[in-house]
Amino acid sequence: GDSVTQMEGPVTLSEEAFLTINCTYTATGYPSLFWYVQYPGEGLQLLLKATKADDKGSNKGFEATYRKETTSFHLEKGSVQVSDSAVYFCALTDAKTSYDKVIFGPGTSLSVIP
Amino acid sequence: DGGITQSPKYLFRKEGQNVTLSCEQNLNHDAMYWYRQDPGQGLRLIYYSQIVNDFQKGDIAEGYSVSREKKESFPLTVTSAQKNPTAFYLCASRVGFSTDTQYFGPGTRLTVL
Repeated sequence: GDSVTQMEGPVTLSEEAFLTINCTYTATGYPSLFWYVQYPGEGLQLLLKATKADDKGSNKGFEATYRKETTSFHLEKGSVQVSDSAVYFCALTDAKTSYDKVIFGPGTSLSVIP
Repeated sequence: DGGITQSPKYLFRKEGQNVTLSCEQNLNHDAMYWYRQDPGQGLRLIYYSQIVNDFQKGDIAEGYSVSREKKESFPLTVTSAQKNPTAFYLCASRVGFSTDTQYFGPGTRLTVL
């Protein structure tokens, strides 16, 4: 079945450092890919998405490119801030299986220190 | 403002009591979902509903029940049959059948004493 693998956390970075959180997936169809962010004690917020190969999703300085050849959707940000401290979830959904079923990765916790 | 509301944010119950978590959306979304999140883990689907008066079990439906009497409301009841109910519960919604994105509410943290 479909699955999502994320790099293990926690990740600790200094402010203004470059961020990469790796995400790879397996899917039988043509999935849509997402990054969600969860701040402490809150729900998930959609950060960005991409729906087809080579699409780049971007929001708030974060970017991720849908790479079908490497089945990856890595999250990047050029200069992180303390306010980016949160848990980041990579996810996919696929019309072939059902948009009701979203496959989430386990989450990667990011801490940014001043 | 349009969005998904969950109430209350924190809920405490004694073991053996049923408890109902509220989820309301004013986005006019057709589909609604309930997830459970345990510390350090991802999300697991409990129940979902694509239309009013219809719902389907997710991956961990045992010990839970839902209703969908109105399009905007999808309450979740955690029954006494749920063996380990303490968790963070998230409600989500999606526009309709051909759209791929789920949007989440702020969550309810349930603690069973």
